[in-house]
Amino acid sequence: GAGVSQSPSNKVTEKGKDVELRCDPISGHTALYWYRQSLGQGLEFLIYFQGNSAPDKSGLPSDRFSAERTGGSVSTLTIQRTQQEDSAVYLCASSLVIGRQRGVGGDTQYFGPGTRLTVL
Amino acid sequence: GNSVTQMEGPVTLSEEAFLTINCTYTATGYPSLFWYVQYPGEGLQLLLKATKADDKGSNKGFEATYRKETTSFHLEKGSVQVSDSAVYFCALSEVQRGYSTLTFGKGTMLLVSP
Repeated sequence: GAGVSQSPSNKVTEKGKDVELRCDPISGHTALYWYRQSLGQGLEFLIYFQGNSAPDKSGLPSDRFSAERTGGSVSTLTIQRTQQEDSAVYLCASSLVIGRQRGVGGDTQYFGPGTRLTVL
Repeated sequence: GNSVTQMEGPVTLSEEAFLTINCTYTATGYPSLFWYVQYPGEGLQLLLKATKADDKGSNKGFEATYRKETTSFHLEKGSVQVSDSAVYFCALSEVQRGYSTLTFGKGTMLLVSP
């Protein structure tokens, strides 16, 4: 079946512009995650959605970053007034929600191909 | 908090050599463990997983065994190919605050030469 898709695959923008990154999760996956992969920084959690709500936004690096999810499916990550340090690969993942009990093994996350953002 | 430590790379091998990439973890509960692979210019692909102690995950000739006593999940392959050249990430997932959190190691680059 279809995996997680993301668009665009590459985005080059000028400092100060706004950008929108899109994620289309696997059909039926109610959990959706955004991560950022920067050179030398590894993988950084940004935000988690369960359905359309975002119970954990703790990873968003500043108030220039926001995300929404509509219809329990597609999600958009928006970066306002982009800065050069925002340059990174933005990865989206989705999962079924099976585990709920604290301390037990978590659900398997499936990743999209990522969007490479370059801020000039 | 949770953490994952994996060996630094790059790991450079000749084709058909034996591969081991070490991974150890620290977790507060009973996590699931994963290996993800990232080929050049691509996203993360799930390679294999194990959900409880002594489970062995395997896929495409790669194997890893969940060792609770040593808190390890080392990745092995008996005979690597040039096409295995990629970055490998060890990760653990645990339910915290009502949802799954995924903690990654820093990644190990594998370079296989013909």
